[in-house]
Amino acid sequence: DIVMTQSPDSLAVSLGERATINCKSSQSVLYSSNKKNYLAWYQQKPGQPPKLLIYWASTRESGVPDRFSGSGSGTDFTLTISSLQAEDVAVYYCQQYDSTPFTFGPGTKVHIK
Amino acid sequence: EVQLVESGGDLVQPGRSLRLSCTASGFTLGDYAMTWFRQAPGKGLEWVGFIRSKAFGGTTEYAASVKGRFTISRDDSKSIAYLQMNSLRTEETAVYYCTRVPYADYGYDAFDIWGQGTMVTVSS
Repeated sequence: DIVMTQSPDSLAVSLGERATINCKSSQSVLYSSNKKNYLAWYQQKPGQPPKLLIYWASTRESGVPDRFSGSGSGTDFTLTISSLQAEDVAVYYCQQYDSTPFTFGPGTKVHIK
Repeated sequence: EVQLVESGGDLVQPGRSLRLSCTASGFTLGDYAMTWFRQAPGKGLEWVGFIRSKAFGGTTEYAASVKGRFTISRDDSKSIAYLQMNSLRTEETAVYYCTRVPYADYGYDAFDIWGQGTMVTVSS
């Protein structure tokens, strides 16, 4: 099974400042045939299901504000919120969809400083 | 509108069974694999299992923790996926989510549509 880890566990950021979340997979999720990383980022607010933000490690889902960006390849990935807004308070998860079991990281809770 | 709606969650005693439904609308369920996740109160997301589309054999895979007790099935004519849960345990109290799994050129794409979830409480 691919184990996903995230850091930090929790992050306090001032409004308008940058938030950076790191994710690491225990094995590469880069598929050589298409050069794609099978890595997604989700946002989850209390009482709601996860919402897809980023897929293929760096492609923004339709409707997601451009302050959200993803980067990385292989086993190391980053989600960046360039200018934190109040509505971005949530838990953020990375997830690999390279192979079953489809595993999530433990989550990073983002709140306002 | 493209959406998934889970139903069937309930309070059930340990050792009993429950069947959850995931009803799709706005898209053709048969074109997608479907997967179930669960989230215990205050915890992270745990994959439960997965069913391929009929075009890819309709086969299933399960997390080790539920294998032999849970069964995923689908009725594409009704646009419903099911999660049959037997021999339920107290630690399986959670919100259960279904999500569609698009096929990509190689493997799968990310899970873009999620249901709102249905609460399963296992307690005596």
